[in-house]
Amino acid sequence: EAAVTQSPRSKVAVTGGKVTLSCHQTNNHDYMYWYRQDTGHGLRLIHYSYVADSTEKGDIPDGYKASRPSQENFSLILELASLSQTAVYFCASSDELAETLYFGSGTRLTVL
Amino acid sequence: QQQVRQSPQSLTVWEGETAILNCSYEDSTFNYFPWYQQFPGEGPALLISISSVSDKKEDGRFTIFFNKREKKLSLHITDSQPGDSATYFCAASRNTNTGKLTFGDGTVLTVKP
Repeated sequence: EAAVTQSPRSKVAVTGGKVTLSCHQTNNHDYMYWYRQDTGHGLRLIHYSYVADSTEKGDIPDGYKASRPSQENFSLILELASLSQTAVYFCASSDELAETLYFGSGTRLTVL
Repeated sequence: QQQVRQSPQSLTVWEGETAILNCSYEDSTFNYFPWYQQFPGEGPALLISISSVSDKKEDGRFTIFFNKREKKLSLHITDSQPGDSATYFCAASRNTNTGKLTFGDGTVLTVKP
C-alpha cells in the first residue's frame, strides 16, 4: 500500500542540538514537502522538492535545511534547534499535478 | 496578515444536521482551494477541492460553495455523522500543480449523536 512514513514519531531535543526528521514515500511521487503545524493552527510550508538532489525554500525556511537524496526520501534538518521549533512536522508527497497531497502521520518535536 | 481565514474556530452540530464551515482569503491570485480533514494523531487528508472557475463542487455529503467576487467559500456537510468529527482546513494555492498550499487555522467540528 502506498504510504508516506515519517520517523521518528516523536522526539525530544535540547536547545542548540541537531535534529534530523526523516520521510520515506512509496507513492512513486516526484514532489515532496515539509510542513509545520503549531497547536491550534494550520500547516505552513518549510521546504519542498520536485526532483531528487534538489530542494526549494517554502514560506518559513529559516532555521531549517532539507535534503532529497532519492525520489523516496526527504529529510528535514535543524542544525541548531530552538524552543520556537517545537511543533508537529508533516511530510507529504504528490504527483506533478499536485492536486492531492498525501501526508504522513507527523513527527511531534519538543525542544527543551 | 493571515491570508486564509476560517470561521468558526469550533462548531458543534447534532447527528443529521448540516454543518457549515466558512473560509475567506485575501490574495486574488489564489485559484485552487482544497479542503483537508484531519483526525487527532493523523496527517491531513484531502476531502474535496474546487478551482476558481467553478462556483460549486459536490461529492456525496460534502459541497463547496465558492464566491470569487467576495473571496469567500464554504464547506457544507449534510446529514452530519459522528465520524465526521475532525478538524477541517481550508487551503489555497496560486497554481494547482505546485503543491504549495496556504492553510487556514482550521475549524474543529464535533457531531453529537
